[in-house]
Amino acid sequence: EAAVTQSPRNKVAVTGGKVTLSCNQTNNHNNMYWYRQDTGHGLRLIHYSYGAGSTEKGDIPDGYKASRPSQENFSLILELATPSQTSVYFCASGDKEGLGGRRDTQYFGPGTRLLVL
Amino acid sequence: LAKTTQPPSMEAYEGQEVNVSCSHTNIATSEYIYWYRQVPHQGPQFIIQGYKDYVVNEVASLFISADRKLSTLSLPWVSLRDAAVYYCIVTDGGYNQGKLIFGQGTKLSIKP
Repeated sequence: EAAVTQSPRNKVAVTGGKVTLSCNQTNNHNNMYWYRQDTGHGLRLIHYSYGAGSTEKGDIPDGYKASRPSQENFSLILELATPSQTSVYFCASGDKEGLGGRRDTQYFGPGTRLLVL
Repeated sequence: LAKTTQPPSMEAYEGQEVNVSCSHTNIATSEYIYWYRQVPHQGPQFIIQGYKDYVVNEVASLFISADRKLSTLSLPWVSLRDAAVYYCIVTDGGYNQGKLIFGQGTKLSIKP
């Protein structure tokens, strides 16, 4: 079973402060993803990465930066946190499987609950 | 990416078989169908995926209609542990770098 861990699990931040959420995967997957989930909504993609050194914008990247310093680690950075960024954040890793490499199952971490006051 | 439509909620008793439907009328030939579930306070967990016909694994089975516009996730003998939100996702996987678009999902409640 794939292993994805996140830290911290809970975070309280102040408006205007900098927040860094960390994600580590031990599956040697090339792709990693950051999602946020708000009450009553499904997950929404913020940033993703194809491998070390790469970051790509997802569907809702505004207000967030991402960093992929290594195959294993992918960070989400809120330079100036705002109350609207209060949410649960999930990291996931995944890679192509099967013939032609077209299937991609993602493995999710346990989530980080962020409260911005 | 194709949009999916699922019932917002379902209820079942322990021991019953549960079938969760998903409509994806605009599915493209390059797209696969994935099912994930999420229990409270945890990240989503992959259940099963398929392209056409019938797929089965140790957890669930997936039936896909001949025109691929409808899929049904079947959970045999559900228990309280199966209470979760079930997401049907359609994606072209490798051609789109594995982006998953989560909708509202189907909240499955299990009665003892």
